[in-house]
This record gives sequence, structure tokens and C-alpha cells, in this order.
Amino acid sequence: GQQLNQSPQSMFIQEGEDVSMNCTSSSIFNTWLWYKQDPGEGPVLLIALYKAGELTSNGRLTAQFGITRKDSFLNISASIPSDVGIYFCAGRNYGQNFVFGPGTRLSVLP
Amino acid sequence: EAQVTQNPRYLITVTGKKLTVTCSQNMNHEYMSWYRQDPGLGLRQIYYSMNVEVTDKGDVPEGYKVSRKEKRNFPLILESPSPNQTSLYFCASSSSGSFYNEQFFGPGTRLTVL
Repeated sequence: GQQLNQSPQSMFIQEGEDVSMNCTSSSIFNTWLWYKQDPGEGPVLLIALYKAGELTSNGRLTAQFGITRKDSFLNISASIPSDVGIYFCAGRNYGQNFVFGPGTRLSVLP
Repeated sequence: EAQVTQNPRYLITVTGKKLTVTCSQNMNHEYMSWYRQDPGLGLRQIYYSMNVEVTDKGDVPEGYKVSRKEKRNFPLILESPSPNQTSLYFCASSSSGSFYNEQFFGPGTRLTVL
């Protein structure tokens, strides 16, 4: 089936640094979603994107829906310890199944 | 409160003993799905349902069954559990008919099969 690629697979950053991660697909989607998962918990939706080129912010988080509709980016500014977790991207077309990426594991060093 | 609930949250069982993990949502969502999560493997979809009485296999359906007799419930059935089904399981739901089709996850069920 369809697959999404996320990079980097994992990253270690210093507290206060900015973070960038991306998600790419071989096929187009008309919805891109970014989730964060804390250990032992279910993923929680961070940002949803519905339009190519759209740039959406949620506090220190900013995500963009790529113009080609085959990619999306998530940026976190001024990272803090509670940003630690796994970040998943997901794509979906109207009325169809969700496709998830493998996740980016973020560690924040004090 | 809008939510997806799963029961039980934790379960330890033995090989071959049939079990059911329940999932329920109160958001009138058409779409529901089950995932399993293992270390380093992300979320792998087991089964999904686009609506009542409609179910489809995901990426890893072997050893699992589901049913969707009513809109709010989507139980996951393991007829004969094996140790390789030890995992963290998530149920999720979403609206299919709306353009705003975010998926909401339950809290997870941690299953151990001895």
C-alpha cells in the first residue's frame, strides 16, 4: 500500500533549539496531519492541513502543506523538555484510509 | 466529552485464550481503525472500517478479527492469541463525510500474551 517517509528517524537537540522534520509521499494527499505521541499514550493531533501551500501554526509549532501535495513539514521553535516524544505524519484523501509515517523520535537535552 | 475509549487498558493472557478488546466512540464517526505499535515499528494498521458493516484489512491483519455491527463500537478479536501479538494497541476514529477528517486515538491497550 501507500507509504510515507519521515526524516529524520530520530534526533537529539539542545533545549532552546529549533527543530525541523519532514514527511514525503510518492502519491498526493489532500489532507496532512501531524501527531505527537508521549510514551505509553495515544497519538494526539497537533496540526491539520487541508490546502496545498497552507502554513499553519499552533503555539511554537508550525506545519506546512507542500505545494506538490506530496510532502509536509513540521517545525518546532525554542524546544523545551516536554517536546520529547514521537512525531507522526499522516496523509489522507477524502473518504479514504489514513496512511501514517514511521515517526520521528525527538529527544531534548537540557 | 468527545472521546475514544478502549477496554481493557492492560491485559495479560495466555496463548490460545480468546480475547476481545473493545473500542467505542461518542462522536458519531463513520471511520474506525485499529493499530498496533511495537518498538521501532511505528503504527501499523490492523483493520479499518469506513462505516457500519464495512471492514477492510490493513497492513497486518493476520491473527485478528473485527466487527462493525453498530457505528459507535469496533471490537478487536484475537481468536487464538500468540506471543507475537504482544503489543500496544490503539483504536481510532474519524468522520468520513466531513472535509475536516482528523483521526482521534484512544488511550491504548497494552496486551501481553504469555
